[in-house]
Amino acid sequence: DGGITQSPKYLFRKEGQNVTLSCEQNLNHDAMYWYRQDPGQGLRLIYYSQIVNDFQKGDIAEGYSVSREKKESFPLTVTSAQKNPTAFYLCASSISRGGSKNIQYFGAGTRLSVL
Amino acid sequence: AQSVSQHNHHVILSEAASLELGCNYSYGGTVNLFWYVQYPGQHLQLLLKYFSGDPLVKGIKGFEAEFIKSKFSFNLRKPSVQWSDTAEYFCAAAGNNNDMRFGAGTRLTVKP
Repeated sequence: DGGITQSPKYLFRKEGQNVTLSCEQNLNHDAMYWYRQDPGQGLRLIYYSQIVNDFQKGDIAEGYSVSREKKESFPLTVTSAQKNPTAFYLCASSISRGGSKNIQYFGAGTRLSVL
Repeated sequence: AQSVSQHNHHVILSEAASLELGCNYSYGGTVNLFWYVQYPGQHLQLLLKYFSGDPLVKGIKGFEAEFIKSKFSFNLRKPSVQWSDTAEYFCAAAGNNNDMRFGAGTRLTVKP
């Protein structure tokens, strides 16, 4: 069953704590993305990766970090520097980042809340 | 700056009514356009896309969208909505640098 798996579905963070959101894909896609979804603001790009061992900041990267050690995996860490982390986080992937191959497929999302 | 605007935040329709959701983009050069849909409790999924060619594109579930270059618009339409179309709809655009931007989304509620 091909697709993108995000875990956990719900996550709670304490003040000053770093938390990591998992994203795994078995679509053999080169490009992967992390978005943050807030009500009334749509999706905003946090980080993206076009290939293993490479990633670039998106529009709202401050307070987040990522790694891309394997093609299938693109975990997102929400650090203590992110002062407003409560949001719905979506991971996506595409064959590549260019042109007609930039059709993005999304996971089910992780809802992060602050305790 | 590259951006996508959706002017309708929440649309409420009765079943069988016609739908048109507005989308405008601010991009120079080549642009690829998308509509994504998020049904309650489900993944965000692609509804339709435009890369080139016929500016009227048809997607799944009877949806269509028209690319009007002179108006920088890519409005989504459906002649007759169903209760099952209740969802949030996102317009997105990607330009020459492949940066994809999403609109704020439009929540559609269809009353049975």
